[in-house]
Amino acid sequence: QLVLTQSPSASASLGASVKLTCTLSNGHSNYAIAWHHQQPEKSPRYLMKINSDGSHTRGDGVPDRFSGSRSGAERYLTISSLQSEDEADYYCQTWGPDHAVFGGGTQLTVL
Amino acid sequence: EVQLVESGGGLVKPGGSLRLSCAASGFTFSSSSLTWVRQAPGKGLEWVSSIDPTSSYIYYTNSVRGRFTISRDDAKDSFYLQMNSLRAEDTAMYYCARLAGSTSLYYFDYWGQGTLVTVSS
Repeated sequence: QLVLTQSPSASASLGASVKLTCTLSNGHSNYAIAWHHQQPEKSPRYLMKINSDGSHTRGDGVPDRFSGSRSGAERYLTISSLQSEDEADYYCQTWGPDHAVFGGGTQLTVL
Repeated sequence: EVQLVESGGGLVKPGGSLRLSCAASGFTFSSSSLTWVRQAPGKGLEWVSSIDPTSSYIYYTNSVRGRFTISRDDAKDSFYLQMNSLRAEDTAMYYCARLAGSTSLYYFDYWGQGTLVTVSS
């Protein structure tokens, strides 16, 4: 079964960097994924996709402070120079043969 | 500028029906796949249903299959979610989104602002 696993929470200081992790289930380690974030009381916004080779493509208007990478079954979203508006829920997402799958989300707190 | 605007949410009794609409602009609607995603209060995102440009491929999450129907009207640049036999657990903010990508990955590249559905007696 295709499952994405995320840590429920993360925190980092203003101006620092943080790396969020999304882990693909056994047998799905080569899947591409997308990252979305949702600021408080707002709708989700697409950030980027991470291809199976680890390359990433950011969405329209997404600053280059956001980058993606992979290692095995893990997919990462790294945010550098953290700003207060980066405080949000971050969701990874992929696609099975006929359905989408979301991770449970990581709530990022900017200290 | 891509825009997706949902409407049609509201309060409905268990067993009732609602029809959500999503009006799109800023992109070639007729060649786009579209989707509904929901978020229960305080919970994460849950994919609900998707439809391809020709309505040949339509998919539903298991919990709504047989109760919800997704459709599109290219003449109106709009798509819909007909929700029947509503249950309390269908209470959520419903977002429409454009589905981009290919078989290696389909993802939601633009989202609407959401419409709230509350199922309660």
